[in-house]
Amino acid sequence: DTGVSQDPRHKITKRGQNVTFRCDPISEHNRLYWYRQTLGQGPEFLTYFQNEAQLEKSRLLSDRFSAERPKGSFSTLEIQRTEQGDSAMYLCASSQGQGIEKLFFGSGTQLSVL
Amino acid sequence: AQSVTQLGSHVSVSEGALVLLRCNYSSSVPPYLFWYVQYPNQGLQLLLKYTTGATLVKGINGFEAEFKKSETSFHLTKPSAHMSDAAEYFCAVSDLRGGSNYKLTFGKGTLLTVNP
Repeated sequence: DTGVSQDPRHKITKRGQNVTFRCDPISEHNRLYWYRQTLGQGPEFLTYFQNEAQLEKSRLLSDRFSAERPKGSFSTLEIQRTEQGDSAMYLCASSQGQGIEKLFFGSGTQLSVL
Repeated sequence: AQSVTQLGSHVSVSEGALVLLRCNYSSSVPPYLFWYVQYPNQGLQLLLKYTTGATLVKGINGFEAEFKKSETSFHLTKPSAHMSDAAEYFCAVSDLRGGSNYKLTFGKGTLLTVNP
């Protein structure tokens, strides 16, 4: 069990650029979640996958955001045409089974949009 | 809609003193409740959870929390603070019984400082 890993740890980009983040969940976990955390706030739910199917998306996830989980393994979160308001910590988590009784979080990707 | 309110964005205690971090929730159905801890440069880690059964739940590192339905509270306590407890603590609620078994709603967090 190597835990949930996220790459990169930090990303600095200019407004208008596209960025992509990667999350590798714990290998046997069938559920994968993306959350966003801004300064002074708790994490906010963005989306989740059960295996390769994206089953729910928050209204926070505008059409500039897209997430995939091909083959039910790793996941990517892409933000197109980044805006300064996208600056945040993007957290990935995974869990096993049908519920969320125990999520395992990665250390996150800190995005700064200049 | 669910919500979580954590009273006090910053709590400071002396080493050896009681730790009390407050959490109140709002939920239309009986909730599942969680406390997560976040150490610097690390991911959130589950401290403890309440789902059903005993309302006093014990977690890791000597922490415990009590679910009080009448007060809609789930306060986190530890009898004696250690320096290693310094971290940010998040209370969260899930509307699991309502079918939303995929989403946690977090509070804004409480930063715990432990003074020597």
